[in-house]
Amino acid sequence: AQSVTQLGSHVSVSEGALVLLRCNYSSSVPPYLFWYVQYPNQGLQLLLKYTSAATLVKGINGFEAEFKKSETSFHLTKPSAHMSDAAEYFCAVSVIGRGADGLTFGKGTHLIIQP
Amino acid sequence: NAGVMQNPRHLVRRRGQEARLRCSPMKGHSHVYWYRQLPEEGLKFMVYLQKENIIDESGMPKERFSAEFPKEGPSILRIQQVVRGDSAAYFCASSPEQGATEKLFFGSGTQLSVL
Repeated sequence: AQSVTQLGSHVSVSEGALVLLRCNYSSSVPPYLFWYVQYPNQGLQLLLKYTSAATLVKGINGFEAEFKKSETSFHLTKPSAHMSDAAEYFCAVSVIGRGADGLTFGKGTHLIIQP
Repeated sequence: NAGVMQNPRHLVRRRGQEARLRCSPMKGHSHVYWYRQLPEEGLKFMVYLQKENIIDESGMPKERFSAEFPKEGPSILRIQQVVRGDSAAYFCASSPEQGATEKLFFGSGTQLSVL
């Protein structure tokens, strides 16, 4: 069984400030981890993924995430927030050998950017 | 991800009516996945279909819910005799091959409201 916990349903940061969205996972086998973003009135888009290669993963739009096995975490960061980053962010976990039917999503974090 | 088309965007039904949700995958994609997002919850996998076949329906309620992906036309998620607890956002995703989570594209979802 696997699960994902996203801490904070809403996160508010000022434009130009550091963005940190937290994700902790639980998995009985080595996981694959994902971050998706959903802009208003759009579908989910893949931001980045971890599939057991480098623990620091770089994604689109300046986002990156670090896999920390000891902490069972996969937090998403961006050094400097932009107004266009305002969206809903979902962390997800899967396992090797499973496709999209094996994805388990967190409840999402709504990122608010203040001018 | 604008290539995965879901309609309608919003669907209102009264208790006991039927709801039909449609999903047209991206061109060239033959694998379709349906997810449900209940209020304050993450996306939950429901069913995985490949053209004319149900591959995995482990996440779909045993009663009142059915899905199909015919040789021609969109994938349909059908909910019979809807109840208030069916109110949720239903997302469809498609991919060109099994297991290709990095090639998974989501639609914008259908928001079902049951009165």
